[in-house]
Amino acid sequence: SQQGEEDPQALSIQEGENATMNCSYKTSINNLQWYRQNSGRGLVHLILIRSNEREKHSGRLRVTLDTSKKSSSLLITASRAADTASYFCATADDKIIFGKGTRLHILP
Amino acid sequence: SAVISQKPSRDICQRGTSLTIQCQVDSQVTMMFWYRQQPGQSLTLIATANQGSEATYESGFVIDKFPISRPNLTFSTLTVSNMSPEDSSIYLCSVDWGAEAFFGQGTRLTVV
Repeated sequence: SQQGEEDPQALSIQEGENATMNCSYKTSINNLQWYRQNSGRGLVHLILIRSNEREKHSGRLRVTLDTSKKSSSLLITASRAADTASYFCATADDKIIFGKGTRLHILP
Repeated sequence: SAVISQKPSRDICQRGTSLTIQCQVDSQVTMMFWYRQQPGQSLTLIATANQGSEATYESGFVIDKFPISRPNLTFSTLTVSNMSPEDSSIYLCSVDWGAEAFFGQGTRLTVV
């Protein structure tokens, strides 16, 4: 069963703008991860945030985690055409469960 | 990190036939995971494959339809048996390395 629910399902923004995607989950977690998938190929791990962390940065990525609300957000700043992809949150306990994903399209 | 080679990358198969997908990892890993991603959908875990024991299948997936082999710590296969058009999906293998997952490039299967 799916644990994470991302919103929006799809997002189109102009290049250079910031993109924010949200993820909600249902049960307690050890950590939450974000992945990117280009054109239906393999997923690439972007960032992991542990349950005792509230915010984490990696380059143009910023992830927040609110365990009281069971939600996380992924912010991509200064978006580029190469950021066009699907983004999935995933929660990990004994196995990794993926959300439905957000399709991000960066307009030139 | 782990590098996973998955093949074939894509195939078009006739209904009623079977396809075996292979995944080779460049390091020894205890568990390998097989996922299905139907068109426009997220990843659904099919099964977890441990070396030396039978795979553990998730609800909705059975061994007769998706037999899995795990002969050693670096290799696994997933067979999609008696295929129907509903099996058209991307199939991905994955391993956990530390706290993150690494994926093969996926096998895009089309059943006609």
